[in-house]
Amino acid sequence: DAKTTQPNSMESNEEEPVHLPCNHSTISGTDYIHWYRQLPSQGPEYVIHGLTSNVNNRMASLAIAEDRKSSTLILHRATLRDAAVYYCILRANTGRRALTFGSGTRLQVQP
Amino acid sequence: DAGVTQSPTHLIKTRGQQVTLRCSPKSGHDTVSWYQQALGQGPQFIFQYYEEEERQRGNFPDRFSGHQFPNYSSELNVNALLLGDSALYLCASSWDPKGKVRGYTFGSGTRLTVV
Repeated sequence: DAKTTQPNSMESNEEEPVHLPCNHSTISGTDYIHWYRQLPSQGPEYVIHGLTSNVNNRMASLAIAEDRKSSTLILHRATLRDAAVYYCILRANTGRRALTFGSGTRLQVQP
Repeated sequence: DAGVTQSPTHLIKTRGQQVTLRCSPKSGHDTVSWYQQALGQGPQFIFQYYEEEERQRGNFPDRFSGHQFPNYSSELNVNALLLGDSALYLCASSWDPKGKVRGYTFGSGTRLTVV
């Protein structure tokens, strides 16, 4: 699976928007971009995924660059509960492919 | 709707022993994957089971084995435990209908400590 690059850590203030970047310059045409987050002492939690178009759900928005070599996870109003490690993962849409996690971005939210 | 259930939540074993971890997938999910997460690192894929067979495997030795039962639940077995096997073991379930991409649902994990 293609590799992703994320900043090790980011900080945000409560109730402000947060933009978490991810670079994936070697993405292939069949790779979906998935985001998961892991709260302290819990397993990873699915956030959002997309292929080419921007996606929105109740948790977040996913903005995908036109060339698909990068993407940004957007939390519109950060809360203290959003403090977690966020993982950007590429997953091929062929068969029952496993997820390959990197180190992720540790997001700290200040009150 | 229950999510993924893992048992036990914590476990302490001695080097050389064997351990079995258990996972019940989310209702409606038929595929189970296991991950190992060392402290401060991202989860590492161990293997995946579908239709009671191992379908994919990560870079883990044969000491790690598994099983999937007809009700889709799964077990992870680790033989000859090493200190380095101390980690959080995560189970994830999914359902991948043809042509659709679905998210994985993870359990809260089993914390294994080898002493």
